[in-house]
Amino acid sequence: AQRVTQPEKLLSVFKGAPVELKCNYSYSGSPELFWYVQYSRQRLQLLLRHISRESIKGFTADLNKGETSFHLKKPFAQEEDSAMYYCALSRVTSGSRLTFGEGTQLTVNP
Amino acid sequence: EPEVTQTPSHQVTQMGQEVILRCVPISNHLYFYWYRQILGQKVEFLVSFYNNEISEKSEIFDDQFSVERPDGSNFTLKIRSTKLEDSAMYFCASRRSGGVGEELFFGEGSRLTVL
Repeated sequence: AQRVTQPEKLLSVFKGAPVELKCNYSYSGSPELFWYVQYSRQRLQLLLRHISRESIKGFTADLNKGETSFHLKKPFAQEEDSAMYYCALSRVTSGSRLTFGEGTQLTVNP
Repeated sequence: EPEVTQTPSHQVTQMGQEVILRCVPISNHLYFYWYRQILGQKVEFLVSFYNNEISEKSEIFDDQFSVERPDGSNFTLKIRSTKLEDSAMYFCASRRSGGVGEELFFGEGSRLTVL
């Protein structure tokens, strides 16, 4: 079975502070990991995926297979980063479903 | 930019009634999905659809649920006899291919309230 855990439901930081949103997963095979974001009154959208090893809007995430984690980090948070963040996992199989974590509501205060 | 569109945005229904939620996936996409999110809970997978058939379904997707792609553009979710616990936000999603890391594009959701 595949499972994703985001231990923090709410996270509040000040503008300019570093931010880390935690994500742990359990899966017996090699997973694909993603971060999706939902800004207020907008649809869920992809933020980044581990396979691309990219930085989007200053966010990065490194897959740590030893710790089964995929934490999302940004060195200097901005007010516009306030949103709901979901970590998600899928199997490396064509068209495979996404399994989501519970989500973390990030608030960046001025 | 092409988007996944869903209708209705909000539907209120009585318990036991049939409900159809409609989705128009992005036109060149081949894989289609329904997810739901009960208020305060996580986004849960319901079903995936490819090549005109269900490719995967969760334990939530029981006999009360069905999906259909009646024409070349619409993708529908039908709940035959709604229960109170079916109240949730239902998200349709599509992707161009099943490739590894392929982005999933979501609609804005249809909020279903069962009274």
